[in-house]
Amino acid sequence: SQTIHQWPATLVQPVGSPLSLECTVEGTSNPNLYWYRQAAGRGLQLLFYSVGIGQISSEVPQNLSASRPQDRQFILSSKKLLLSDSGFYLCAWTSGDRGTKTQYFGPGTRLLVL
Amino acid sequence: AQKVTQAQTEISVVEKEDVTLDCVYETRDTTYYLFWYKQPPSGELVFLIRRNSFDEQNEISGRYSWNFQKSTSSFNFTITASQVVDSAVYFCALSEAGAGTASKLTFGTGTRLQVTL
Repeated sequence: SQTIHQWPATLVQPVGSPLSLECTVEGTSNPNLYWYRQAAGRGLQLLFYSVGIGQISSEVPQNLSASRPQDRQFILSSKKLLLSDSGFYLCAWTSGDRGTKTQYFGPGTRLLVL
Repeated sequence: AQKVTQAQTEISVVEKEDVTLDCVYETRDTTYYLFWYKQPPSGELVFLIRRNSFDEQNEISGRYSWNFQKSTSSFNFTITASQVVDSAVYFCALSEAGAGTASKLTFGTGTRLQVTL
C-alpha cells in the first residue's frame, strides 16, 4: 500500500530564515505530487504540483519554491521566510495514470514564523 | 474559473442527530470530479468520497451518504446518527478532468462540525 510522509511535523522559524519541507511517497511510482497551504481557519490553497522529476508548476506567485529531485520526493523551500508564510503545509499525491484523480494527503507540517 | 462554496461555517449538533453539510460548485467543464475530505484535529485530510460528473447516483457508506445533483450544482453530505468522533472540519473539493494527468483541486472553505454528548 502507498504511504506519504512529511517532515518535520512542526517547525518554528524566525523571519528571514530559510525553509525546507520534505515530502516522500512510498509504494508507488511516477506519482503526481502537490503542495498545499492552509492558513489558520481557512481552506486549502494549491501552491505547486509536479508530474515528474524536475517538472514543477507554480499556482501562486510567492516567496516559496518547490523542487522534485527524485521520483517520490517533493521539497518546498524558501530563502527568506515571511510572517505570512505561517500555516499548515500539506503534501498530496495522485497516481500518474490519466484516469485517477483522487489526492491522498500526508500528515502535514505546521510552520510558525515569528 | 472553478469555485466551491460551503456556506455553513460551523454546525453544532447533539450526538445521534442527523446533519447535512452543503456544497455548491461552479465549473465550465462538462467532465469533473467532486470530493469530500475530513480533517480531524490532527490536521491530516482523510479522503471520504469521489464522484464523477457523469455519475449522479447517490451513495451510502455506513452512516455517511452523499446527494449529487447536477441540476443544482450541489454535492451534499449527510451524517446519520452523528457521533462525537465525527467532530472535524469537512471540505468539499472540485477537480477538473483537464488535459494531462495532474489533478488540481479547488477546495471550499470547509464546515466545522461539532458533535456533543
